[in-house]
Amino acid sequence: DVKVTQSSRYLVKRTGEKVFLECVQDMDHENMFWYRQDPGLGLRLIYFSYDVKMKEKGDIPEGYSVSREKKERFSLILESASTNQTSMYLCASSGREGRETQYFGPGTRLLVL
Amino acid sequence: GEDVEQSLFLSVREGDSSVINCTYTDSSSTYLYWYKQEPGAGLQLLTYIFSNMDMKQDQRLTVLLNKKDKHLSLRIADTQTGDSAIYFCAESNDYKLSFGAGTTVTVRA
Repeated sequence: DVKVTQSSRYLVKRTGEKVFLECVQDMDHENMFWYRQDPGLGLRLIYFSYDVKMKEKGDIPEGYSVSREKKERFSLILESASTNQTSMYLCASSGREGRETQYFGPGTRLLVL
Repeated sequence: GEDVEQSLFLSVREGDSSVINCTYTDSSSTYLYWYKQEPGAGLQLLTYIFSNMDMKQDQRLTVLLNKKDKHLSLRIADTQTGDSAIYFCAESNDYKLSFGAGTTVTVRA
């Protein structure tokens, strides 16, 4: 079974703090994704990576950056957290082919005070 | 860009069938997916359909695709309390998925 894990289930941070969210997958997948989920808006893609050290902006990259130093690990960074970044963050991974299913982690619920 | 729409809420009686509808705009989508999210959890793939198919059945789940109208539906037969969740429709194009806002299904006794 594909396993995607995220470093924290719940996180509380203060405005202006630097926040790291980490995601690890164990299926040697090439593609990894970060989404945020907000009620009524569904999932919106923040960034994705199709290989080590490669990244592409998604639909809402502003205020975020990412790092992919190893194939299994994809980190989402909030350089200076703001209250409008309070959300559920979901990581996913998939194989190289475009039709490959995305497998999701359990999510990190981030509250920025 | 892609745009996926689905109704936000559905209430169904236990034992009845549930039908969740979705419309999408990208006619070049190769696969269309249904994901389920239970409270406090990530998304779990329920089923998917290739764009050249009209229907796919998997136990209690039936997916219907009308490519002309860009309409996708998910029917859950004999709905159970464990089916209470948020259901997301998604279309794929290359690596990326575009998701609808999710339909919250509530199963009442």
